[in-house]
Parts: sequence; structure tokens; C-alpha cells
Amino acid sequence: DSGVTQTPKHLITATGQRVTLRCSPRSGDLSVYWYQQSLDQGLQFLIQYYNGEERAKGNILERFSAQQFPDLHSELNLSSLELGDSALYFCASGRASGTDTQYFGPGTRLTVL
Amino acid sequence: AQSVSQHNHHVILSEAASLELGCNYSYGGTVNLFWYVQYPGQHLQLLLKYFSGDPLVKGIKGFEAEFIKSKFSFNLRKPSVQWSDTAEYFCAVLSGNTGKLIFGQGTTLQVKP
Repeated sequence: DSGVTQTPKHLITATGQRVTLRCSPRSGDLSVYWYQQSLDQGLQFLIQYYNGEERAKGNILERFSAQQFPDLHSELNLSSLELGDSALYFCASGRASGTDTQYFGPGTRLTVL
Repeated sequence: AQSVSQHNHHVILSEAASLELGCNYSYGGTVNLFWYVQYPGQHLQLLLKYFSGDPLVKGIKGFEAEFIKSKFSFNLRKPSVQWSDTAEYFCAVLSGNTGKLIFGQGTTLQVKP
């Protein structure tokens, strides 16, 4: 158990819908990172937040957005869902802003039908 | 752009065989390198990391990796694998000073009892 929690574990929804994935970092960690894991793209970095502010952006679609709240938990919002958005979404946390070890949560498996 | 390449996509070994998984990265500056393992149905777990110092890094569960700067490589080794090592293994590099982890495609290791 890494200490990073993610909810829900599984999510099944329809195309065009909007979902919110939630992540709570390890105690003391200020950074939260979101990754998408799919069969065709592998593990892709989406976005990083550090102490409430966006720090780095990766291959995140405009339909996706994230935020980190004052209590440091983070939410990833996915809207206008498409079949291709079906994937495992991992959250990771780390102590610092950049060069630090990232500890991964159990992931949320999103299935878009 | 930075990239990570894992040469072996699928490796099948018998128990007690020795393991070496190749990883090459493309980045000329200071690198922070990681190996993560993903057991079936589980999240990513950190096996070992290299930030600086001794290029031979020891991790958990008997794994080690050697950073060879001249070859841009960070190969993972284990002298004697067990059936419980069956998993997917990911090599990753931290991109610059951001928190963005760039992952290789992953290597699926199957250990036959």
C-alpha cells in the first residue's frame, strides 16, 4: 500500500458523459500527478499539481481538467467522454515539486461504452 | 524530446533463471531513473531509483540496476527469478526539473514454475 488513495476503483459510463476521479496523496506530499495507462498509448503523463498550483502539463486533452484543493486532494475531470478515453487513470504523489520519487495509487479503471 | 526504450516486450523465463531487462533513455543532461513493477491487477510499485552516486543501485526483492551514462542505459537485473516476479516492468526517466515521468513501453515478464 503506497498511501495514495483513489476513488472510485471502477467507473462505467457512456459516451458524451462527464466523470470526476479523485485522488488523496500520501500524508506530507504536496505534489499530485495524473497518468493515463492504455493499451495503445502506454503510460502517459497528464498533469502535475504542487500545493494547489499547476506545475507541468503533458498530453492532456482540452476535454480533461484537474485541480488540487487546499487539503491537497486532487480531482481529474473528464468530459464529453469518447470510447478512446477508456483507460486506467493513475494518481501519484511526491514530497516536492519536481525531482522526487512518485508513489502511485491503485488507479481508477474507466470504461466508456 | 526525451524518450525511454525498453527492448524486450515479453520475456519468458523459468524459475531460478537470471533476468536482465534493457532500458535506454534519450536525454543528455542529469537524469533521474526509475524502475517500477506492476503486478497483475495492481498499481505501480517502485523497485529502485537512481538519482546520483553509485551507478549500481539495489532495490527491493533482490533487484538491482546499473546506470551506464556512456550507453544511456539503466538495465534491470535479478540473479534468480521466482514465479512471484511475474509482472510488467516499466523503466522511467524524470523529464528535466519537472515532475513528468516518461515511461518505456513496459516489459511483461512471465516466470514459469
